[in-house]
Amino acid sequence: DTGVSQDPRHKITKRGQNVTFRCDPISEHNRLYWYRQTLGQGPEFLTYFQNEAQLEKSRLLSDRFSAERPKGSFSTLEIQRTEQGDSAMYLCASSPPWGDYGYTFGSGTRLTVV
Amino acid sequence: GDSVTQMEGPVTLSEEAFLTINCTYTATGYPSLFWYVQYPGEGLQLLLKATKADDKGSNKGFEATYRKETTSFHLEKGSVQVSDSAVYFCALSEEGNTPLVFGKGTRLSVIA
Repeated sequence: DTGVSQDPRHKITKRGQNVTFRCDPISEHNRLYWYRQTLGQGPEFLTYFQNEAQLEKSRLLSDRFSAERPKGSFSTLEIQRTEQGDSAMYLCASSPPWGDYGYTFGSGTRLTVV
Repeated sequence: GDSVTQMEGPVTLSEEAFLTINCTYTATGYPSLFWYVQYPGEGLQLLLKATKADDKGSNKGFEATYRKETTSFHLEKGSVQVSDSAVYFCALSEEGNTPLVFGKGTRLSVIA
């Protein structure tokens, strides 16, 4: 297992289009998190899953955003009707079910909405 | 809600200088505290952590002590190297491995 994988690394889309990102966590990690990072800011929490259950959603996650984690493995984050303000780095992280509080982050998907 | 405040950057230091990046937090419970580092073009990496008051986290020459009385977790390194140039993020997580809350990050540039 080589860590958390995110695909694609970069996505350029026209305003109004839908985009979907994928995250593959470390296999034994049951928690999966999505964050958004804009230039000059720290990562902002969007949502997280424990196994297939979505446990929490941030107010940042408008109704244009939806996340899934079928079967508790990989996760997808979809943004519908993209807006220029959605341009950001979308980060995925996973963590194990036991203590240690160690997150492993992926390299992120950079979204540019033109 | 919980929050993390870091000193604003950028911070520019000469090689072998002493580094301090200040971090203070606001939390309702007893959080765990973290420093993450983001090197150019790479993802976030955990640098060090502390899970209870007076714990000291350390890694790669960096240290930070969990100070509950001052709600702080300042990052220090005695002698920085050019390879330490990166963005450093302070973060907290409440008990139960809840989602991390990050500060805005501090960019460090070390010049030879």
